Amino acid sequence: NAGVMQNPRHLVRRRGQEARLRCSPMKGHSHVYWYRQLPEEGLKFMVYLQKENIIDESGMPKERFSAEFPKEGPSILRIQQVVRGDSAAYFCASLSGRANTEAFFGQGTRLTVV
Amino acid sequence: GENVEQHPSTLSVQEGDSAVIKCTYSDSASNYFPWYKQELGKGPQLIIDIRSNVGEKKDQRIAVTLNKTAKHFSLHITETQPEDSAVYFCAVGSNSGYALNFGKGTSLLVTP
Repeated sequence: NAGVMQNPRHLVRRRGQEARLRCSPMKGHSHVYWYRQLPEEGLKFMVYLQKENIIDESGMPKERFSAEFPKEGPSILRIQQVVRGDSAAYFCASLSGRANTEAFFGQGTRLTVV
Repeated sequence: GENVEQHPSTLSVQEGDSAVIKCTYSDSASNYFPWYKQELGKGPQLIIDIRSNVGEKKDQRIAVTLNKTAKHFSLHITETQPEDSAVYFCAVGSNSGYALNFGKGTSLLVTP
């Protein structure tokens, strides 16, 4: 959905660098999901955030990955010390309310770790 | 956690024919069932959804049916067109959790 803005669309990082992925939800939406998609696979849940709150991070790797959704500004997914296995498409989706309402996805950020 | 199985993984139909994609789920508390279409290089787009208090929902050429007892739901596309070619994902949501759990996708090819 054009209303959910993710940037950058493509990101190349060397092993050991940090990756920061940004997501601006649709206007009026205060909840976001982050999902990871590996080639020819489905979408894997990572984290569900409300503004200033992490509601469910059960899908996040325990190390190197973090997410935030500040009161002002976009939601950020941060990957520290990237490894080749982090290469994937990362999608954010925004929701107007709590989970189990319509979720609208952005175009994704394709991270390549070289 | 929720286990969502989607079949078939690939489907090829001729233009004008119907296409049916099926998903099963395991959590009886699941109550929200959206379908997404993903074109190459793009994000998933919500095309239709259904809630557990409804058995069928239709939007033009697209319909979704839900069988709560059997824990399965299906996407039906009638009068398929080449523009329907894409990967389709089913998903399941539940009030007992926050995540939408996705199937692995069906790659649909509509040949003219």
